[in-house]
Amino acid sequence: QKEVEQNSGPLSVPEGAIASLNCTYSDRGSQSFFWYRQYSGKSPELIMFIYSNGDKEDGRFTAQLNKASQYVSLLIRDSQPSDSATYLCAVRSNTNAGKSTFGDGTTLTVKP
Amino acid sequence: NAGVTQTPKFRILKIGQSMTLQCTQDMNHNYMYWYRQDPGMGLKLIYYSVGAGITDKGEVPNGYNVSRSTTEDFPLRLELAAPSQTSVYFCASSYSNSGGRYGYTFGSGTRLTVV
Repeated sequence: QKEVEQNSGPLSVPEGAIASLNCTYSDRGSQSFFWYRQYSGKSPELIMFIYSNGDKEDGRFTAQLNKASQYVSLLIRDSQPSDSATYLCAVRSNTNAGKSTFGDGTTLTVKP
Repeated sequence: NAGVTQTPKFRILKIGQSMTLQCTQDMNHNYMYWYRQDPGMGLKLIYYSVGAGITDKGEVPNGYNVSRSTTEDFPLRLELAAPSQTSVYFCASSYSNSGGRYGYTFGSGTRLTVV
């Protein structure tokens, strides 16, 4: 079992729809959870982080965390073609030099 | 404020050659990391450092080496390049803090091909 697993995708949604990206993790000691967006040929860019159970909203993005189920999700409302990218879920411990373990990513395509 | 700067952006190496990938950050981050990303895959940790003079192996360290003589610089050395080292290499940095609540700032990456 991978430490961090994401829906393999690709995921395709029409413009204006809600895109839902999911991630599960195996280490119950994980403390912080991150979503990075990576455009093709570019480096990852941090877009959301969450460390408490529940929802965290930032503009069109909502991160959801359920530590009991070891589950993290990212919702993108009113999806735009510019949201087309690969989304990487990362899990970080508060010990061990703060190393992050990444999932393989889910590629999202938003069709106009 | 440049963030994390990586050089070179592209490089083609012949099998058996060596090279150093440079990484510099100007954010006074203590934590620095080297990851590699193979096509369609996530990021695999090669080496990391929690401060000047302190480095440690990550998940895939074989064939690589690092040093950290200053807070700003964290070069990655490839010795005796092999085709399996063809990949995109990312350097990242982060604040050190309790709770690990800071994400990474990534450099723009180095695309390496070994032929």
